Amino acid sequence: GQNIDQPTEMTATEGAIVQINCTYQTSGFNGLFWYQQHAGEAPTFLSYNVLDGLEEKGRFSSFLSRSKGYSYLLLKELQMKDSASYLCAVLVTNAGKSTFGDGTTLTVKP
Amino acid sequence: DGGITQSPKYLFRKEGQNVTLSCEQNLNHDAMYWYRQDPGQGLRLIYYSQIVNDFQKGDIAEGYSVSREKKESFPLTVTSAQKNPTAFYLCASSIVGGSAGANVLTFGAGSRLTVL
Repeated sequence: GQNIDQPTEMTATEGAIVQINCTYQTSGFNGLFWYQQHAGEAPTFLSYNVLDGLEEKGRFSSFLSRSKGYSYLLLKELQMKDSASYLCAVLVTNAGKSTFGDGTTLTVKP
Repeated sequence: DGGITQSPKYLFRKEGQNVTLSCEQNLNHDAMYWYRQDPGQGLRLIYYSQIVNDFQKGDIAEGYSVSREKKESFPLTVTSAQKNPTAFYLCASSIVGGSAGANVLTFGAGSRLTVL
């Protein structure tokens, strides 16, 4: 079976840094993806990792440790518009099948 | 601009009725997907297709059907056999390829189905 765990909710302050963790146990692994989803809207792609290490994209960074089945998304210089749900997804097969976690709802406060 | 168009955005259905959700993309992507999202939960895969005239069941295919007669289109039918169809339905597409980057999903705006 597939199991992906993320914290349900997090709260952070505008201008701060927040780390959203994701642990996974899946039957296959071909990459780990992070998506952002604002309430009532479609998810949008943020970042992905295939190899261990840190990938940086502006204010967003994502880290992967395959041996630990662990990833995190790091958001720097938080803005109010970063209040959203963040979805962790594992590409289980290289034929496009992804399994999603339940998402972490981040609330950014002034 | 390229993208994915889903329609209708909101749909109400009586119990026992079938309903079809439309998904059209002009991104020239080979693969298309249907996900279901319930409140406070992540996305669950219903069906996916990597090539025209071929599709595979996802994790929760029971009570749903799809077709892929054209590369651009991947409609989803929610049948009366689906016990709890009220949900937010998301269509997505991606390039097909061996690299992880080819599997980045582009989503449509979603269709919210409510069964009365």
